[in-house]
Amino acid sequence: DVKVTQSSRYLVKRTGEKVFLECVQDMDHENMFWYRQDPGLGLRLIYFSYDVKMKEKGDIPEGYSVSREKKERFSLILESASTNQTSMYLCASGRGTNYNEQFFGPGTRLTVL
Amino acid sequence: KQEVTQIPAALSVPEGENLVLNCSFTDSAIYNLQWFRQDPGKGLTSLLLIQSSQREQTSGRLNASLDKSSGRSTLYIAASQPGDSATYLCAIYNFNKFYFGSGTKLNVKP
Repeated sequence: DVKVTQSSRYLVKRTGEKVFLECVQDMDHENMFWYRQDPGLGLRLIYFSYDVKMKEKGDIPEGYSVSREKKERFSLILESASTNQTSMYLCASGRGTNYNEQFFGPGTRLTVL
Repeated sequence: KQEVTQIPAALSVPEGENLVLNCSFTDSAIYNLQWFRQDPGKGLTSLLLIQSSQREQTSGRLNASLDKSSGRSTLYIAASQPGDSATYLCAIYNFNKFYFGSGTKLNVKP
């Protein structure tokens, strides 16, 4: 079975802190994605990556950056956390073909105080 | 831009009932459509993936259909159980992007 893991299930940070969310997949998938999910707004794509060291902005990249130094790992970075970044963060991975089934991690519930 | 709609937003049914969840999309140029289940506070679990060239997929009590010409997909759940209670989301993949519906929250009453 495909496994996507995220470094933390729950995280509490202070405003202005630098925050790292890590995602690891074990299926050699080319594609990896970071979403945030908020009530009433659904899933919104923050960043995605189709290859190592490659990144593309999604719909809401402001305030975030990403890093993909290895194929299996995709990190989301909040340079200076703000309260409006309190959310559920979901990582996903998938093959780099048109048969692009996505597999999601368990999510990280981030609270910024 | 592709828009994905799921109606109703919430559904409550008695245990044992067969039910259909709906997903509508505006652009028929899709590569595939995926159905997910999400339990409260958890990530999304993939249920079924339908390729653009396919009409339906089945897994156990679940059957998903795809009609690109009408911009619709349905997820049929047979003999529903309380354990099926969750939010069900559909997602369209085309042109290197995924488009998600807002989900249908299903409650199956014992």
